[in-house]
Amino acid sequence: DAKTTQPTSMDCAEGRAANLPCNHSTISGNEYVYWYRQIHSQGPQYIIHGLKNNETNEMASLIITEDRKSSTLILPHATLRDTAVYYCIVRPYSGNTPLVFGKGTRLSVIA
Amino acid sequence: GAVVSQHPSWVICKSGTSVKIECRSLDFQATTMFWYRQFPKQSLMLMATSNEGSKATYEQGVEKDKFLINHASLTLSTLTVTSAHPEDSSFYICSARPPDSGNQPQHFGDGTRLSIL
Repeated sequence: DAKTTQPTSMDCAEGRAANLPCNHSTISGNEYVYWYRQIHSQGPQYIIHGLKNNETNEMASLIITEDRKSSTLILPHATLRDTAVYYCIVRPYSGNTPLVFGKGTRLSVIA
Repeated sequence: GAVVSQHPSWVICKSGTSVKIECRSLDFQATTMFWYRQFPKQSLMLMATSNEGSKATYEQGVEKDKFLINHASLTLSTLTVTSAHPEDSSFYICSARPPDSGNQPQHFGDGTRLSIL
C-alpha cells in the first residue's frame, strides 16, 4: 500500500507556480521522498527526490517539512505540457525495493 | 542519463495468443527490473520483480504461469503474457535502477499498450 496521500486533482493557470502537496506522516528515517509524473499514455518520468533538505533541479523544487511528514512539489512556471498525474512516493535509501504508486494528483494546467 | 527501453509500444492480437514484451536497460546493467500494469484511470500496480539469473518474484494475485518473466542478461528482461484474453488488455510498464545506486531514481520505459480482441 502507498504510504502517501495526495489530493485527487488540482488546477493551475499557465505561467503560475503549481504547488502539489503530499502527506507522508509515517515516513521512516531511512526513506526518501520521490516525485514522478505520468503524462497520458507514457511511462512515469522522474522529477526530483529528497531526504530532509529542500532540493531544486531544472524541473522543479521539493520542499520537505522539518518533521518530514509532508512535502510540496513546486513547478515554478507551469506550462500546458506539465498537465499530468503527479505521484509522491516514499522509498528506503538502501536495497532494491520497487516504487509503490498511490493514486497521485491529476494536475491540469489551464491556458 | 539512464534510459530504459521497452518494445513493442503497442500490440493488438487475438484472444489465445501469447505476447512477449521486451525491456532493456540501455546504459547500465540491471540485476533487477520491475514490471507494472496499469488499467485505464488507475495507478500503476507492481506485478513482479525480475531478477537476473533467477526466478522472478510475483506480487500477490499475479499468476506466474500467466505472466512469464525471463531475465537472461543484465540488460534484458522479457514479460510474456501467455494465452492472452481480453481481460489482460492493459498498459504494461517496466522499470529498472542501476545496481548499488543507493537513493538514485528508478527509471521507466514508455510502456506497452496491449489490446486483446
